[in-house]
Amino acid sequence: EADIYQTPRYLVIGTGKKITLECSQTMGHDKMYWYQQDPGMELHLIHYSYGVNSTEKGDLSSESTVSRIRTEHFPLTLESARPSHTSQYLCASSGTRDRGGEDYGYTFGSGTRLTVV
Amino acid sequence: AQSVTQLDSQVPVFEEAPVELRCNYSSSVSVYLFWYVQYPNQGLQLLLKYLSGSTLVKGINGFEAEFNKSQTSFHLRKPSVHISDTAEYFCAVSPWGAAGNKLTFGGGTRVLVKP
Repeated sequence: EADIYQTPRYLVIGTGKKITLECSQTMGHDKMYWYQQDPGMELHLIHYSYGVNSTEKGDLSSESTVSRIRTEHFPLTLESARPSHTSQYLCASSGTRDRGGEDYGYTFGSGTRLTVV
Repeated sequence: AQSVTQLDSQVPVFEEAPVELRCNYSSSVSVYLFWYVQYPNQGLQLLLKYLSGSTLVKGINGFEAEFNKSQTSFHLRKPSVHISDTAEYFCAVSPWGAAGNKLTFGGGTRVLVKP
């Protein structure tokens, strides 16, 4: 039973198209993150949010943008997709305490594998 | 700022043999430490974490890790692997204050379990 959902799982799209990757969580977590995962496996933080109307750039520069209008929703948008954007995008969330009362790090979605042709 | 180094990019191992995945970190502040596993075409799943207390941490699926502050290491071990342990493993750290804040990941170690 997933508590954080990403759609679509796979997306093949042409150059220049606008795309939005969806991420929603049902845990009431205040913090949410987007990571880009290269084919060589390394994960890079590209965006994060510590709450509604709060968004920050991550460690890796990205042409994508994000928004956080609702606690549970953290979509990522590419205005004009390019082949260099081909990658896997992982969404995650964390809260000060999980439902069990313990901090445990991030919960990850299953990822969106994006291919721009 | 924190950095994490996973010393082995790939580790081939035979079924029922032990495995150790090495992780070293660098940080100017105290950190929490984590190991995540990623199965093919899936997101990351938490294996275990060290927040405080005993330096030997037990996680899911028979994995354990030991925090060594003097060597700034957090190596992951399993005494007997199964084919189903074939996956990618990531070590991660986050600064003290609130576990899970801005995790910094290592480059990952790919474990291939052979029959």
